[in-house]
Amino acid sequence: AQSVTQLDSHVSVSEGTPVLLRCNYSSSYSPSLFWYVQHPNKGLQLLLKYTSAATLVKGINGFEAEFKKSETSFHLTKPSAHMSDAAEYFCVVSERTNAGKSTFGDGTTLTVKP
Amino acid sequence: GAVVSQHPSRVICKSGTSVKIECRSLDFQATTMFWYRQFPKQSLMLMATSNEGSKATYEQGVEKDKFLINHASLTLSTLTVTSAHPEDSSFYICSARAPDRAPFYNSPLHFGNGTRLTVT
Repeated sequence: AQSVTQLDSHVSVSEGTPVLLRCNYSSSYSPSLFWYVQHPNKGLQLLLKYTSAATLVKGINGFEAEFKKSETSFHLTKPSAHMSDAAEYFCVVSERTNAGKSTFGDGTTLTVKP
Repeated sequence: GAVVSQHPSRVICKSGTSVKIECRSLDFQATTMFWYRQFPKQSLMLMATSNEGSKATYEQGVEKDKFLINHASLTLSTLTVTSAHPEDSSFYICSARAPDRAPFYNSPLHFGNGTRLTVT
């Protein structure tokens, strides 16, 4: 069985300050982990993924995440928030099976204040 | 990059009628597509896995006779909400994985833009 816990339902930062969105996972096997972003009334867009290569993963729009097996974490960070980063963010773990069923976290709403 | 197109983006229907939502992979073939439902301010709930040429696999608690899924080709899956009621009003999203050299589970999901269904 696998699960994902996003530790903060809401995060608010000021423009230009760092962003930290926290994600912990549980998986019976070495996981495949993803971060997606969703803007209002839109589908989800991939930010980055971890698939057992480098533990520090760089994604689009300046985001990156670090896989820490000892902490079972995959936190998403960005050095400097932009107003356009305001959105909903989902941490996702995929089963390592042919179906590759994905389990979604509950999401974190990021607010960016001017 | 891989593109998934979902249509319509919004639909309003009367209670008791049926609504069909289409999900197309535009530049790749998808043997498997996923259908989700999302309530306001909540995460995505997997409803079913759509398999090309065979029956869909429904998640526990999802009525297969209510939510009919057809995956007739490698680029098209449809979700039909039958005899819709106001409680079926929601945001429905589809996704698919584009095949690449990576194992299937390492490939990211590509999402449609969703369909906002309102049943009056």
